[in-house]
Amino acid sequence: AQSVTQPDIHITVSEGASLELRCNYSYGATPYLFWYVQSPGQGLQLLLKYFSGDTLVQGIKGFEAEFKRSQSSFNLRKPSVHWSDAAEYFCAVGFRSGTALIFGKGTTLSVSS
Amino acid sequence: DGGITQSPKYLFRKEGQNVTLSCEQNLNHDAMYWYRQDPGQGLRLIYYSQIVNDFQKGDIAEGYSVSREKKESFPLTVTSAQKNPTAFYLCASSIEDRGIHFGPGTRLTVL
Repeated sequence: AQSVTQPDIHITVSEGASLELRCNYSYGATPYLFWYVQSPGQGLQLLLKYFSGDTLVQGIKGFEAEFKRSQSSFNLRKPSVHWSDAAEYFCAVGFRSGTALIFGKGTTLSVSS
Repeated sequence: DGGITQSPKYLFRKEGQNVTLSCEQNLNHDAMYWYRQDPGQGLRLIYYSQIVNDFQKGDIAEGYSVSREKKESFPLTVTSAQKNPTAFYLCASSIEDRGIHFGPGTRLTVL
């Protein structure tokens, strides 16, 4: 069955430090890949998405993600974290246009000063 | 502005009552979805609809029902058969390859 794994439940990063959130998926073909961010009590906001082409994708708020087919991974990165980045981050996969996404269980990011 | 509206933001229900959560979108999206979110569980799919008058069960459809009579509306009814309905409910919509867009959510609490 298709699945998404976010190995880190909670990560703490110092403000100004770099960030990498991990995401691995299980599927036979290349899926559509997404990263979302959620602030407490709010809906999810799309950070970036990968459908095909260049494996390094740029998103909003200075985030980027790299698709690595050999590792079935789609890790999210940011070179310098700001306190406002503290939130919960979800990786998701979809398997064709218009179908429902499968989500990982999320990684909570805390930012220390 | 185009977007997804969910109402109410907070909802309280007594055990044994049915309750309906509203979801409206003015994005002209074809597909709509309902997800349930519980702490540490991520998002789990309840129902989705790719076209008016058609919908499919997701992973946790038991105790829930939906309708899709209009393109812009996809209400979710939480029935008394849902044994643990307290959760955060997220409605979403999508079109083609543009990703899924989420509403602000409804927090349902059973008293």
